Amino acid sequence: AQSVAQPEDQVNVAEGNPLTVKCTYSVSGNPYLFWYVQYPNRGLQFLLKYITGDNLVKGSYGFEAEFNKSQTPFHLKKPSALVSDSALYFCAVGLLDSGNTGKLIFGQGTTLQVKP
Amino acid sequence: NAGVTQTPKFQVLKTGQSMTLQCAQDMNHNSMYWYRQDPGMGLRLIYYSASEGTTDKGEVPNGYNVSRLNKREFSLRLESAAPSQTSVYFCASSEEGKAGGREQFFGPGTRLTVL
Repeated sequence: AQSVAQPEDQVNVAEGNPLTVKCTYSVSGNPYLFWYVQYPNRGLQFLLKYITGDNLVKGSYGFEAEFNKSQTPFHLKKPSALVSDSALYFCAVGLLDSGNTGKLIFGQGTTLQVKP
Repeated sequence: NAGVTQTPKFQVLKTGQSMTLQCAQDMNHNSMYWYRQDPGMGLRLIYYSASEGTTDKGEVPNGYNVSRLNKREFSLRLESAAPSQTSVYFCASSEEGKAGGREQFFGPGTRLTVL
């Protein structure tokens, strides 16, 4: 069975400092991984994804994440946080061999608060 | 290019009432999804449609029905609403194919309260 865990309900960071939002996953198969961001009263927006290829994935707004096949973290990182990065972040995992349904399992979400 | 649209944006129902949430996408995507979002629980898949003419249950299908009316539209129906169905509902679509791994595009959500 697939599962995704985001162990932190909230992450607080000062503007200009590096940020990390943690995610770990468990699948039996070949995973593909996503990060989404949700601003208040809005739908989710795609940030980045890993399917195959380079393990370091760069996405929108300067965010990046690193895939390691032998380990299960897929943490979201940014070298220098902005106040405008404050939002709710979701990690999601799917299986490449899931019958082409595109089904994803989402983590419970982490609120990122960036303070000036 | 509107992307994924949902109606209504807000709805208040009494227990036992029925309603249909509408979703449409203009990106010619094959796959469409309905999720509910509850605090601390992330997004949970209710139903999905991998292609026009097919629908399948997700993680939490009880109390819901869906219709993939055509390639563009995917509706979610609550036949007899219960307070436990108070939630924010999101529709999403993706261009799934043999390769898999396509990102999903989300609508703005419907905030439903069942009294």
